[in-house]
Amino acid sequence: NAGVTQTPKFQVLKTGQSMTLQCAQDMNHEYMSWYRQDPGMGLRLIHYSVGAGITDQGEVPNGYNVSRSTTEDFPLRLLSAAPSQTSVYFCASSYTGTGGSSSGNTIYFGEGSWLTVV
Amino acid sequence: KQEVTQIPAALSVPEGENLVLNCSFTDSAIYNLQWFRQDPGKGLTSLLLIQSSQREQTSGRLNASLDKSSGRSTLYIAASQPGDSATYLCAVRGYGGATNKLIFGTGTLLAVQP
Repeated sequence: NAGVTQTPKFQVLKTGQSMTLQCAQDMNHEYMSWYRQDPGMGLRLIHYSVGAGITDQGEVPNGYNVSRSTTEDFPLRLLSAAPSQTSVYFCASSYTGTGGSSSGNTIYFGEGSWLTVV
Repeated sequence: KQEVTQIPAALSVPEGENLVLNCSFTDSAIYNLQWFRQDPGKGLTSLLLIQSSQREQTSGRLNASLDKSSGRSTLYIAASQPGDSATYLCAVRGYGGATNKLIFGTGTLLAVQP
């Protein structure tokens, strides 16, 4: 049981390049999400998914695409990288997106992907 | 639009002290509130979750309270230890379409001095 695995951990991109941040979980969680963390701004939700084939936008979706073809994987695509997308990206998963009252519905975070766009 | 604020941004205390971290939110119509811990260079670890109908939750030396009417939550840490040093974040979920979305505060960086 590896939990939530994010790759790569570090990446440097040039402006205009595209790339995909990978996220995988082995806990059979329906809910997965992507956040970015910037100094002084906390974590902000980019996109989320409540199950395979279902995705929705969060607070800051512009410049990012997601898809959910399997329960396990939720990749985040940067279409044309910009310096404003320099950030730390976190993937998270849980059984449901609401938190619930059961300890079994804990939300698990990956260890983060550090992205620099130059 | 829901906004979550955590004050102070940083806190340093000697080992053994009891301490309180604060979280405030602008829209009291929350579904639940959650406290997380983040160690440097790591992801977040969930500490406590309080449903909107609850007033507090406890886990070991941690106690989180919720006062929806005043838009406030506190995280009480008893008998602090150097291992408690980390950034603590609170986050809220709203209702309806917002239930699947966590809105985070900017966190409090806690340093417990041995």
